[in-house]
Amino acid sequence: EVHLVESGGGLVQPGGSLKLSCAASGFNFSGSAMHWVRQASGKGLEWLGRIRSKDNNDATGYAASVNGRFTISRDDSKNMAYLQMNSLKTEDTAIYFCTSHGYGGNVFLDFWGQGTLVTVSS
Amino acid sequence: SYELTQPPSVSVSPGQTARITCSGDALPKKFAYWYQQRSGQAPLLVIYDDNKRPSGIPERFSGSSSGTMATLTISGAQVEDEADYYCYSPDISGDQFVFGTGTKVTVL
Repeated sequence: EVHLVESGGGLVQPGGSLKLSCAASGFNFSGSAMHWVRQASGKGLEWLGRIRSKDNNDATGYAASVNGRFTISRDDSKNMAYLQMNSLKTEDTAIYFCTSHGYGGNVFLDFWGQGTLVTVSS
Repeated sequence: SYELTQPPSVSVSPGQTARITCSGDALPKKFAYWYQQRSGQAPLLVIYDDNKRPSGIPERFSGSSSGTMATLTISGAQVEDEADYYCYSPDISGDQFVFGTGTKVTVL
């Protein structure tokens, strides 16, 4: 059974930093790209960024809204993905999801965690 | 930055057909994906690669894409289909992804 479990959310002051973790199990993590998505209360889904697999040089890409402030990394030995968030703003308050989608053989796979809440407030 | 535009809301009676559109300049060259999100839940993929349905998704969900517009169709909508729906697709470079603005589907 596939599991994606986010952790590390909480309350942080504006200008502060926070590192979210995503623990993966039940699928070929090392061969999969990992994405981070967020959703502010009552708002839509926002794609934040992606890290590709080692075969694709762990290449990263980010949304313009977080580029330069957020960094995605991975540790394939631990089946973990991370989202380092710096210079946090009140508008970064949201639920943060890790997710993975793509073909596993001939089957298209799509996995989501349940999310972790980040609150940026003084 | 790249944008995908959806209507804010669609309302149908049970058994009717709901159509949700998604407009984006890269859609002629990039696949569209559709997610259903019920209140308080993580998104659920209902269509991938424009028109393919994941295992377990009811046949009443279908997708199509033509030119710069992708469409999600719910044929014979059920009350349990009430949710927010988001299209999702990469930009032309494939390096960034974006969600559509979201459509609230009401079935009553």
